[in-house]
Amino acid sequence: QSALTQPASVSGSPGQSITISCTGTINDIGRHDYVCWYQQHPGKAPHLIIYDVNNRPSGVSSRFSGSKSGNTASLTISGLQAADEANYFCSSLTGSTTPYVVFGGGTSLTVL
Amino acid sequence: EVQLEESGGGLVQPGGSLRLSCAASGFSFSNYNMNWVRQAPGKGLEWVAYISSSSSNIYYADSVRGRFTISRDNGQNSLYLQMNSLKDEDTAVYYCTRDFETMTTRIPADYWGQGTLVTVSS
Repeated sequence: QSALTQPASVSGSPGQSITISCTGTINDIGRHDYVCWYQQHPGKAPHLIIYDVNNRPSGVSSRFSGSKSGNTASLTISGLQAADEANYFCSSLTGSTTPYVVFGGGTSLTVL
Repeated sequence: EVQLEESGGGLVQPGGSLRLSCAASGFSFSNYNMNWVRQAPGKGLEWVAYISSSSSNIYYADSVRGRFTISRDNGQNSLYLQMNSLKDEDTAVYYCTRDFETMTTRIPADYWGQGTLVTVSS
């Protein structure tokens, strides 16, 4: 049982937009804005795509965006492309030492 | 270019021990906090342990406290995870991650290694 709750799967057609939710509690997502999103292709390591709720690292497409409301964070991918098909994980710092960071269970994105 | 390369994984019997290493390059290792994160086969991510840049602060997940020990050697640009009393449920790919922190930004894992597989089985 992961600390943060994500839908197991989402799907969309090329060009469409999808949103993945990540629900936590007042002790993690609701506590501050240190929410990250990671993309993981099969057999590969996770790759940071969003940090501090809505910031993109250099080199990450502007098609990826993040937001937060209360205890729930969201990742939106616009203009879906085949290469976006992957697993997506959210994370949040907790403000305590144990656990230091919590992750969502991951969402499998299928591009139809 | 930031690079993290884990090693030391393998097959071990329940109750056994294993020591993972993570070689860092492309950045000033001694200035960064580091984490170990694991992923059981087909499962999500689980944070395992954290160590600050000078090793003054160390945190563990409840699931590994008392069995795992995180350490680092800044002179060797290396991070370690000593795993003792291993259990079946410790089977996972173990990743080392760089922890990026400024006055306004906190990223527990801005860079990841490729991971090393630990299999605990008799």
